[in-house]
Amino acid sequence: RKEVEQDPGPFNVPEGATVAFNCTYSNSASQSFFWYRQDCRKEPKLLMSVYSSGNEDGRFTAQLNRASQYISLLIRDSKLSDSATYLCVVTSGMDTGRRALTFGSGTRLQVQP
Amino acid sequence: ETGVTQSPTHLIKTRGQQVTLRCSSQSGHNTVSWYQQALGQGPQFIFQYYREEENGRGNFPPRFSGLQFPNYSSELNVNALELDDSALYLCASSFTQSMNTEAFFGQGTRLTVV
Repeated sequence: RKEVEQDPGPFNVPEGATVAFNCTYSNSASQSFFWYRQDCRKEPKLLMSVYSSGNEDGRFTAQLNRASQYISLLIRDSKLSDSATYLCVVTSGMDTGRRALTFGSGTRLQVQP
Repeated sequence: ETGVTQSPTHLIKTRGQQVTLRCSSQSGHNTVSWYQQALGQGPQFIFQYYREEENGRGNFPPRFSGLQFPNYSSELNVNALELDDSALYLCASSFTQSMNTEAFFGQGTRLTVV
């Protein structure tokens, strides 16, 4: 079983739609949670961190449920420029506070005009 | 632009050869992590370097090795290349070894092994 699981998609949605991505993680010791965005043949870039209290950044809302080990990303009013792969990322603790990022395989979003 | 630069951007090697990939970290960052991203997959953690020492390693064999230099730039070396080593290799620099701070990725080196 993968440590971070995501639906690979693709999600094909019209402009203006609301789309939700889900992610589950298996390591209950994971400490930090993120969504990264990766455009085709480019490097991943941090979209937003995810907190237990939930957080919002413009059209993007992220939620974390530690009890269910579940992370979500909601995109409202989708734009053509939102087309990308969205990577769910958790930190896996290593000893003495060192950390690695553990990525899901990504969910591809295609926003149609 | 993140300020993290990798070289070369593309590379073709033959099975059994050795390869060295390079990464210059963002100014002020002392930690460099390397990731391998196969087609259609998320990046997989190879190892991290902090203050010139390996600081954690993922599930990769010893033929994957690295270095970090006093200016915090880094190299990834892969010996005895295999076809499955074909992937995008990403380096990420961060201000601290804790990934609770944002990691900035370079544009990657696309390695093809034939």
